[in-house]
Amino acid sequence: GAVVSQHPSWVICKSGTSVKIECRSLDFQATTMFWYRQFPKQSLMLMATSNEGSKATYEQGVEKDKFLINHASLTLSTLTVTSAHPEDSSFYICSASRELQFFGPGTRLTVL
Amino acid sequence: QKEVEQDPGPLSVPEGAIVSLNCTYSNSAFQYFMWYRQYSRKGPELLMYTYSSGNKEDGRFTAQVDKSSKYISLFIRDSQPSDSATYLCAMSGTLQGAQKLVFGQGTRLTINP
Repeated sequence: GAVVSQHPSWVICKSGTSVKIECRSLDFQATTMFWYRQFPKQSLMLMATSNEGSKATYEQGVEKDKFLINHASLTLSTLTVTSAHPEDSSFYICSASRELQFFGPGTRLTVL
Repeated sequence: QKEVEQDPGPLSVPEGAIVSLNCTYSNSAFQYFMWYRQYSRKGPELLMYTYSSGNKEDGRFTAQVDKSSKYISLFIRDSQPSDSATYLCAMSGTLQGAQKLVFGQGTRLTINP
């Protein structure tokens, strides 16, 4: 149990386009989901906390207008990187909370 | 000073060795302690979690928490090449609500056949 999926697993896009990443809890309902960013050989950096049916809470320094988060149901949260630029290239990972946090497999975003 | 300190390694040991991974922390409010394993280009996988002080064993893995010293450890017995990964410690004060985890930097472990 406690399986979390992400889609897509990798994406390459042109600068200026928007990219949507989906995070789903497959076998449990998650009131809270989290979005992280990870740079090579570094630990996870929390971007935002997402609660079903309410606005996400962003960490300091994370642009909420650039990283749009929607938590439409207890099993689905989406992260949209708007007007992506090369500096947004990174590994994005979501987690779903059922007391403990269970992570998705991650999405590698490359912006050309 | 970071809330959670973890030696980033890299740590390289021969197959079959006992591996000890450690984290120290400064926030006495932490009550829940987790170890995640992360393979390259994958999301972290929850290995073990413990509440407060004490030991917990699961197969070849043993987690220890010493709250008096603010020190946690993960031991891997009979290490295998498949254990080669980055190990992240994480902790929080509660499991309720939108609890945030505070992570260590991660230790890169390589088990050599």
